Amino acid sequence: DQQVKQNSPSLSVQEGRISILNCDYTNSMFDYFLWYKKYPAEGPTFLISISSIKDKNEDGRFTVFLNKSAKHLSLHIVPSQPGDSAVYFCAGEGAGNMLTFGGGTRLMVKP
Amino acid sequence: NAGVTQTPKFRVLKTGQSMTLLCAQDMNHEYMYWYRQDPGMGLRLIHYSVGEGTTAKGEVPDGYNVSRLKKQNFLLGLESAAPSQTSVYFCASSLSVEGTGGYEQFFGPGTRLTVL
Repeated sequence: DQQVKQNSPSLSVQEGRISILNCDYTNSMFDYFLWYKKYPAEGPTFLISISSIKDKNEDGRFTVFLNKSAKHLSLHIVPSQPGDSAVYFCAGEGAGNMLTFGGGTRLMVKP
Repeated sequence: NAGVTQTPKFRVLKTGQSMTLLCAQDMNHEYMYWYRQDPGMGLRLIHYSVGEGTTAKGEVPDGYNVSRLKKQNFLLGLESAAPSQTSVYFCASSLSVEGTGGYEQFFGPGTRLTVL
């Protein structure tokens, strides 16, 4: 049973437009949610996080929204740039700071 | 400051062979982790350590062993490799403070392992 799901394996967006990546979870015990970005042949790198008691966190072009009643979070990238093309993973953080990752969404930003 | 490094970058094993993957971090982090990444399944936690001399099982520990003899190193061992262990392995480390969360994990570049 996957506790964190990213139902869209891929997303294609035009440069300058908004990218919206979605994530659903089933575990109500997650304290934080984190987004990671991964380029080919590299390890994931941290992008942004949100506490479970917040509904929005913003960092430059990146904003994460959390809807606890729907058990849904989303990452908005505005404006999207070609360098944002990567695989994005959402993760829930539970007890002991353990992360449970979704399957990832491949974002392609076209120039 | 190298961050998290992993050795080797690539390896091909035959079924039944053994090997050890080495992870090193120079950030003085207490927590270290081993993940495997398979297509469409994200990263799954194999084992983790909350400090020198401690280890614990993650989501998919079977077939793997780990050791944390020094704070900066975390070793992942495969005693008898199987084709199902073909994967990309990532090590990570994090700073953790009791009772808080949201600290990012820093990942190494990965080890691509193929078991024939």
